[in-house]
Amino acid sequence: DTEVTQTPKHLVMGMTNKKSLKCEQHMGHRAMYWYKQKAKKPPELMFVYSYEKLSINESVPSRFSPECPNSSLLNLHLHALQPEDSALYLCASSTRQGAYNEQFFGPGTRLTVL
Amino acid sequence: QKEVEQDPGPLSVPEGAIVSLNCTYSNSAFQYFMWYRQYSRKGPELLMYTYSSGNKEDGRFTAQVDKSSKYISLFIRDSQPSDSATYLCAMSAEGNEKLTFGTGTRLTIIP
Repeated sequence: DTEVTQTPKHLVMGMTNKKSLKCEQHMGHRAMYWYKQKAKKPPELMFVYSYEKLSINESVPSRFSPECPNSSLLNLHLHALQPEDSALYLCASSTRQGAYNEQFFGPGTRLTVL
Repeated sequence: QKEVEQDPGPLSVPEGAIVSLNCTYSNSAFQYFMWYRQYSRKGPELLMYTYSSGNKEDGRFTAQVDKSSKYISLFIRDSQPSDSATYLCAMSAEGNEKLTFGTGTRLTIIP
């Protein structure tokens, strides 16, 4: 299994809703990432988990809350989002063996905040 | 000045042509260089991965890194309409988990 899966594919939510995005990989990778991508822009890093511990938080607003329950799973909990948070949310993973940072991306969750 | 510069295009070439995509960078600490292909409304797909300077070939794709010039290239031979996508360069420093992306080049191969 050499892929990163993400659910749901699409999500529409109101500004008062609470929802979660899920990411899963079975490649034995020990680093997992959340990115946000707006149209015609490159991915922007949000969070990095290394060996299930949060290692990077790119000053992301607290309405985004990441969670890494185990080495294969990564969640992103969403609460009180704003319309400008509408974007493609991408999960990625990498081996973290040696100095490798070859990151493999999932297909993304397209989020619309009304 | 951005750490990584990439011409956003759009770039249109006829089918069968050789395509050259490029990025320049300013951070001499970058050691790992990647090219991703992203189709519309999909996640980026890793195409090529190169460590330090040199060339790497995989089928119709060749990646080149010139660290002395801080310049990387991706060549696509015998281009196909299915190659139409946005191509993102990305790079990172030794032991650094963070990738720095170029802005992406939109490529269209005309049948």
